[in-house]
Amino acid sequence: AQTVTQSQPEMSVQEAETVTLSCTYDTSENNYYLFWYKQPPSRQMILVIRQEAYKQQNATENRFSVNFQKAAKSFSLKISDSQLGDTAMYFCAFMKHAGNEKLTFGTGTRLTIIP
Amino acid sequence: ETGVTQTPRHLVMGMTNKKSLKCEQHLGHNAMYWYKQSAKKPLELMFVYSLEERVENNSVPSRFSPECPNSSHLFLHLHTLQPEDSALYLCASSQVFGAAPTGELFFGEGSRLTVL
Repeated sequence: AQTVTQSQPEMSVQEAETVTLSCTYDTSENNYYLFWYKQPPSRQMILVIRQEAYKQQNATENRFSVNFQKAAKSFSLKISDSQLGDTAMYFCAFMKHAGNEKLTFGTGTRLTIIP
Repeated sequence: ETGVTQTPRHLVMGMTNKKSLKCEQHLGHNAMYWYKQSAKKPLELMFVYSLEERVENNSVPSRFSPECPNSSHLFLHLHTLQPEDSALYLCASSQVFGAAPTGELFFGEGSRLTVL
């Protein structure tokens, strides 16, 4: 079974600064996907970024980027130039390659951007 | 209507009540999910329906009963719940392409359930 661990329950950062959220996972699979999902207060959870394990290049989506370390089973999310709208719960998630969209989530990190 | 809509947004019920949560997706997806979100715990996958057939039931107690009458609608019927069932229940949908998963789930805003 896969597990996903997010060791930072809460974080806060000043607006415009850079923040990094940590995630580690445990699996015996070789082919898999990793995700970061964002859940703003009282709003839908949405996908922020996705990484395929077979790709060495780290995924990037505008101000969001990941640091994927396959050997260390680490998958951190970096948010650059943070904005007030980035305030949310962030969930790291894992899915096996043939996982039929069944994701294993971590416990989440509550990120607050301070004006 | 767009995306995934859940009703009601808030529900308070006694342990002997029977109620239902409703989810509707307007995205043309072929899979729907129920997740349970409790504070300081990982999201728990409860049920998965793909092409209107239940393909996953993660050892959920029988007091939770799902129903998927068509690809756009998903219900979670609740009866004789316990206080520890209080949580945010999230519905999600996705388009499953056989062996080419995307992992992108589209979530509703959730139904906040309180069991007294």
